[in-house]
Amino acid sequence: QSALTQPASVSGSPGQSITISCTGTNSDVGGYNYVSWYQQHPGKAPRFMIYAVSIRPSGVSNRFSGSKSGNTASLTISGLQAEDEADYYCSSYTSDSAYVFGTGTKVTVL
Amino acid sequence: QVQLQESGPGLVKPSETLSLTCTVSGGSISTSHYHWGWIRQPPGKELEYIATIYYTGDTYYNPSLKSRVTISMDMSKNQFSLKLYSVTAADTAFYYCVRQIGWTPGDFWGQGTLVSVSS
Repeated sequence: QSALTQPASVSGSPGQSITISCTGTNSDVGGYNYVSWYQQHPGKAPRFMIYAVSIRPSGVSNRFSGSKSGNTASLTISGLQAEDEADYYCSSYTSDSAYVFGTGTKVTVL
Repeated sequence: QVQLQESGPGLVKPSETLSLTCTVSGGSISTSHYHWGWIRQPPGKELEYIATIYYTGDTYYNPSLKSRVTISMDMSKNQFSLKLYSVTAADTAFYYCVRQIGWTPGDFWGQGTLVSVSS
């Protein structure tokens, strides 16, 4: 089961919006509306940011939003802030009744 | 608020068995609302799903690891455990125990524990 494909890095200036893509197949992203997103700061455990493609758990800023089209899911961060600088991972439920993660994207705030 | 804490050896020899336990506090693992699982991350690399266990005892595994992994739970201790057999250096990673809800790999995570495989 191959990892979902994410860009290695994305950058933006404070206040700007950035979008991270996450591409899979019909057996994962395209087949289920069960895409999640995680934020991970260095040396820390991942933080749950988005589930079911576009739903934010309690406590997550509304600057984070998710969407999906076909086999590609996306995470958009609007009003970019210094604290958003981190690694981001997508994940999807799969046809094997398992989960697959993305390759990870390093977000840099310029 | 629920908390998860991993425990186990930080060093395992090649070909031996990696054994980790996750102790859950602030909530019971014997609930139908949540599942429990393990995820790992080799240093500097991406996350990898390992396994899930439901309160019913049903288990699900990453197909690529299924032949070497067992997940189990002890409701009397509010703990669940991971065993990974015949380890190699490629199994060196931070291992996280997680609470799972719905079809997400983890909403609450333990702090993670580094397990190194080396002779």
